[in-house]
Amino acid sequence: GQQLNQSPQSMFIQEGEDVSMNCTSSSIFNTWLWYKQDPGEGPVLLIALYKAGELTSNGRLTAQFGITRKDSFLNISASIPSDVGIYFCAGPSKNYGGSQGNLIFGKGTKLSVKP
Amino acid sequence: DAGVTQSPTHLIKTRGQQVTLRCSPKSGHDTVSWYQQALGQGPQFIFQYYEEEERQRGNFPDRFSGHQFPNYSSELNVNALLLGDSALYLCASSLGGRQTQYFGPGTRLLVL
Repeated sequence: GQQLNQSPQSMFIQEGEDVSMNCTSSSIFNTWLWYKQDPGEGPVLLIALYKAGELTSNGRLTAQFGITRKDSFLNISASIPSDVGIYFCAGPSKNYGGSQGNLIFGKGTKLSVKP
Repeated sequence: DAGVTQSPTHLIKTRGQQVTLRCSPKSGHDTVSWYQQALGQGPQFIFQYYEEEERQRGNFPDRFSGHQFPNYSSELNVNALLLGDSALYLCASSLGGRQTQYFGPGTRLLVL
């Protein structure tokens, strides 16, 4: 079945650093979504991508829809302490009914602050 | 603009019991999807409700059932609870089943 592979699994950041993470799949996606989840909370939608090659920003966050439609990237510039959390990529699943399929998620990239 | 709300926030049950979780979608949304998130994992799709009917279902047993009301709010019911049902249950809403979904804060269920 479809799977989304996120890397890295975890990373430590120092305030002010830029952060990059990615999400890959063996299947083609027509939408990529990036969410951030804080402990004990629901995922919050950060960026939605709908077209191959699309580059979209939301403040210090920038995400790209890969040309092959099998990957997506999220960059955070000049990180701050509140960027800590788990970042999930997600895409519509073909397992559950086709074009309006529900979302499958990667396992997340956990961002922590360097001690 | 009211976001997705869920109740209760936390719940403790024992094995074999039944539980009902509730969700109100974001204002203007008509589709509700339910997800289960185990610790350290991404959310897993349970089912989706649109126009008061279950439109799609993930790989969850029939112990998991749901309902959508005319005001688009939804309930998730789980019967014969197992220890493995302990998880964060998330509700997400969208308009017309679109892929861009907005999540609520979740209900943390602990089964003892």
